[in-house]
Amino acid sequence: QITLKESGPTLVRPTQTLSLTCTVSGFSLSTTGVGVGWVRQPPGQALEWLGIVYWDGDQFYSPSLKSRLTITKDAAETQVVLTLTNMDPFDAATYYCAQLRTLRSFAFEVWGPGTRVAVSS
Amino acid sequence: IQMTQSPTSLSASVGDRVTISCRAGQNINTYLNWYQQKPGTAPSLLIYASSTLHSGVPSRFVGSVSGTNFTLTVSGLQPEDFATYYCQQTYSTPYTFGQGTKLEI
Repeated sequence: QITLKESGPTLVRPTQTLSLTCTVSGFSLSTTGVGVGWVRQPPGQALEWLGIVYWDGDQFYSPSLKSRLTITKDAAETQVVLTLTNMDPFDAATYYCAQLRTLRSFAFEVWGPGTRVAVSS
Repeated sequence: IQMTQSPTSLSASVGDRVTISCRAGQNINTYLNWYQQKPGTAPSLLIYASSTLHSGVPSRFVGSVSGTNFTLTVSGLQPEDFATYYCQQTYSTPYTFGQGTKLEI
């Protein structure tokens, strides 16, 4: 069974750096065609694609966040880490990680439950 | 690539047939996915590659395409179908989402 789960702080201060971890099970981050992406959703608003890291280490980011965002996978191939610097109240949202398979659906087939992040001093 | 979804909201009744549209700002081939999201939960994949039903999704959900215009049709609405629907292109990064369509009773 494929699962993903996000973890990290629920509250960060403005200008601080947010670090979220997506722990995966049931598949390997090194399997050809596999990617893990991040999507966020401010309260009452639409989904926003943030970025993705692929099995081969390639990373792609939203242009609007590219200067602040890093997505990496750990050496053990079980976690994907999102780092977002210089947090602002506009970054408050529920953050989701999700699995994408380029050799199958090329869509986010499995999602984590999400983690809510508030930004306040 | 901008994805323009319409309508923003839609009212319907159980048993109705509804259509949600998503227009891509440029050619995306058939790299178009539809998701359903219920309040307080993560989105779930309904349709990928514009018309392929994801595993376990009822056949009343149908996706179609004409050029850069994509359509999600739900026939015989069930109570559990009242949710928000999003389209997403995965033709090229950033893999942009539409603004969503809230389907209400």
